[in-house]
Amino acid sequence: NAGVTQTPKFQVLKTGQSMTLQCAQDMNHNSMYWYRQDPGMGLRLIYYSASEGTTDKGEVPNGYNVSRLNKREFSLRLESAAPSQTSVYFCASSSLTGRDTADEQFFGPGTRLTVL
Amino acid sequence: AQSVAQPEDQVNVAEGNPLTVKCTYSVSGNPYLFWYVQYPNRGLQFLLKYITGDNLVKGSYGFEAEFNKSQTSFHLKKPSALVSDSALYFCAAYNFNKFYFGSGTKLNVKP
Repeated sequence: NAGVTQTPKFQVLKTGQSMTLQCAQDMNHNSMYWYRQDPGMGLRLIYYSASEGTTDKGEVPNGYNVSRLNKREFSLRLESAAPSQTSVYFCASSSLTGRDTADEQFFGPGTRLTVL
Repeated sequence: AQSVAQPEDQVNVAEGNPLTVKCTYSVSGNPYLFWYVQYPNRGLQFLLKYITGDNLVKGSYGFEAEFNKSQTSFHLKKPSALVSDSALYFCAAYNFNKFYFGSGTKLNVKP
């Protein structure tokens, strides 16, 4: 099993450009997440999908959109990139999360995005 | 607002000595608690979790964590540190489909 894969690994954009970060998991997990990691701020949740067909905003959703394409894939789109979106982006998945239970998340290797 | 705090940006410890990485949380209800480790240029890896039951939880690589409900803390511990334990450690709390992460603590273990 590859686990959680992300593409691309690195990306440089100019302000105003758009791009989509791809994420896929092969563990048949229900829940998927997008985080950004900035120095001294830990991981901040951008969007999550508790199950196929649903998406919800996290802590910092502005400037981003997501698509849960199917159970395996969860993409993150930047419509008009800004320098403040320079960060490392992590995708994660979890087998079952809900009101009464939580399983650990499995993380992808990350995408380093620079917006000039 | 829900939050997880890791009060120490960095912890330095000598190899063979015990280590503690601190975490406190302010998350409503009875959140589930996790510790993750991140090595350079890698994603986070799960170490251990607390759901319910015994306040001392054992996890991977000899790590354990102590849950204290009255102090809303979940400190990570290891009896004898290894140089290879040097990494960035994150505490996280889960409630209602969301995970809340602390800012991370860099652990330096010196030979």
